[in-house]
Amino acid sequence: EVQLLESGGGLVQPGGSLRLSCAASGFTFSSSAMTWVRQVPGKGLEWVSVISDSGGSTYYADSVKGRFTISRDNPKNTLYLQMNSLRAEDTAAYYCAKDSYTTSSRYSGLDVWGLGTTVTVSS
Amino acid sequence: AIQMTQSPSSLSASVGDRVTITCRASVDIGNDLGWYQQKPGKAPKLLIYAASNLQSGVPSRFSGSASGTDFTLTISSLQPEDFASYYCLQDYNYPHTFGQGTRLEIK
Repeated sequence: EVQLLESGGGLVQPGGSLRLSCAASGFTFSSSAMTWVRQVPGKGLEWVSVISDSGGSTYYADSVKGRFTISRDNPKNTLYLQMNSLRAEDTAAYYCAKDSYTTSSRYSGLDVWGLGTTVTVSS
Repeated sequence: AIQMTQSPSSLSASVGDRVTITCRASVDIGNDLGWYQQKPGKAPKLLIYAASNLQSGVPSRFSGSASGTDFTLTISSLQPEDFASYYCLQDYNYPHTFGQGTRLEIK
């Protein structure tokens, strides 16, 4: 079964740091780009960051650039999001998701999602 | 970043109704857009990719279309399980950006 399982969320003070993990199973992790998406309680979805299958390319939303770092460990089938200089507005549920491609290499969306992990930034 | 303007923000409809949700991109994004459904307390689910391609396992009452910078998600005959929130996501370039969402409620 294809599965993603996030962990590492919790309560952290403003200015603090937290590292989220996303354990993947049931598919070839090392062949898949991976994305983080977040959602403030009661609000919409916000795309956060993506990393290529090899880890050689990364992109970020402007709201987290310079503070968050996405990385991966392919032998461990695990995706990470290192979050530094956290702010109250980073309080959200964080989801990891798998990027998918058609057989002709056309991008075809985020086809597998984890259940999410909650980050609360508060003093 | 590309702006995605989604409308309406909320919609009330009845079982059996045909509903349409729209996203407008701030620039030409070709057909690089997906639609996602999210139910309360759950992770989003991919419905449509590349503007009009139905994801495997998604009922055929869902369809997507594109015209210029305007994209439409149509549900042909609402079922009880379709009452949820819906989001578009442009994947034309980074950073990818979501629309603000549409909450579909039972009338």
